[in-house]
Amino acid sequence: QKEVEQNSGPLSVPEGAIASLNCTYSDRVSQSFFWYRQYSGKSPELIMSIYSNGDKEDGRFTAQLNKASQYVSLLIRDSQPSDSATYLCAVNWNTNAGKSTFGDGTTLTVKP
Amino acid sequence: DVKVTQSSRYLVKRTGEKVFLECVQDMDHENMFWYRQDPGLGLRLIYFSYDVKMKEKGDIPEGYSVSREKKERFSLILESASTNQTSMYLCASSLDRVTEKLFFGSGTQLSVL
Repeated sequence: QKEVEQNSGPLSVPEGAIASLNCTYSDRVSQSFFWYRQYSGKSPELIMSIYSNGDKEDGRFTAQLNKASQYVSLLIRDSQPSDSATYLCAVNWNTNAGKSTFGDGTTLTVKP
Repeated sequence: DVKVTQSSRYLVKRTGEKVFLECVQDMDHENMFWYRQDPGLGLRLIYFSYDVKMKEKGDIPEGYSVSREKKERFSLILESASTNQTSMYLCASSLDRVTEKLFFGSGTQLSVL
């Protein structure tokens, strides 16, 4: 079993809809959680980070963390075709380590 | 903006060759990382470094070595390239162990024939 698992996708939503991306992680001392976006042929870029239980909102993006259930999710409201990309979930097991373990990614397509 | 520069976008090498992948960051970051990305396997950590002349193994270090002689430069070395090392290699940096945001380079697609 992988330490960080994501829905394999692909996920397809119509423009304007809410896209929901999910990530579960193994039971280790995990402190920090990140969502990276990777466009085809490009390198990943950080879009959200979350450190405590609950929701964190940034524009159209909301990250949700539930440590008891060991999952973190990313909601994209009012999805746009420009949101079409692969979304990578990353977990840092120790805040002093500074290294991330990544899930395989979920590919999102937003159809006009 | 932080810039992480990888020396080559595409590289083709022969089996058994020694291969150097170079990475330079311009923001005085302490931490540097080398990942490889393969379809279905995601991003996997090869080696990382928290300081000059310091290195630590990641999850898949076999067949690789690294060098960090200067703070801004982190090199990945394939001592004897093999076909199973054909992959996209991504270098990343972060400010320090507390600030965990990773900045990635544009990647090097290495093909070993």
